[in-house]
Amino acid sequence: LAKTTQPISMDSYEGQEVNITCSHNNIATNDYITWYQQFPSQGPRFIIQGYKTKVTNEVASLFIPADRKSSTLSLPRVSLSDTAVYYCLVGDTDSSYKLIFGSGTRLLVRP
Amino acid sequence: DTAVSQTPKYLVTQMGNDKSIKCEQNLGHDTMYWYKQDSKKFLKIMFSYNNKELIINETVPNRFSPKSPDKAHLNLHINSLELGDSAVYFCASSHMDRDFQYFGAGTRLSVL
Repeated sequence: LAKTTQPISMDSYEGQEVNITCSHNNIATNDYITWYQQFPSQGPRFIIQGYKTKVTNEVASLFIPADRKSSTLSLPRVSLSDTAVYYCLVGDTDSSYKLIFGSGTRLLVRP
Repeated sequence: DTAVSQTPKYLVTQMGNDKSIKCEQNLGHDTMYWYKQDSKKFLKIMFSYNNKELIINETVPNRFSPKSPDKAHLNLHINSLELGDSAVYFCASSHMDRDFQYFGAGTRLSVL
């Protein structure tokens, strides 16, 4: 089974940039890397998706190195409302069509 | 309008009972999923359906059975409920297999 690894938790302060990294050694060749945000008592919400290099949207950036064995979600100038759990989702080459979520990173943004 | 809706939001039941959780999406998506989130917040995929065809079936007990009457619905039936089935179950949908997903608000199942 592919193992996806994320830091368990991170602390930050309002206005800072936060970078969360996900390791995914067995990512499938054709699979995308997707990041989700989850607030308590809610379902995960899509943040950003990419295949390689860099992707940017209105809320985040995603950096993916050439070997694609990891990815970094970058949140610019976080606010208190960014306190949540962040998950990465990638494919798994060990089993076709097997989707593996990371264990999630709990981000706490302090005033 | 809610894109992916699940009912009920809370479900409390006794061991051995049979229960169902309903899921509907109004996004016109082709693929729907069921996930289980345990008390440690790990999200694990259980099933996905693409155009009424099962395309992922993880190693879940056969007491769990997904049923899709049409492309907009994927219901989850659970027979002979066990204590270990207590968790939050999320339904999700995506335009295509492996496209980013829209999640429902979850159903918190408590088996007593």
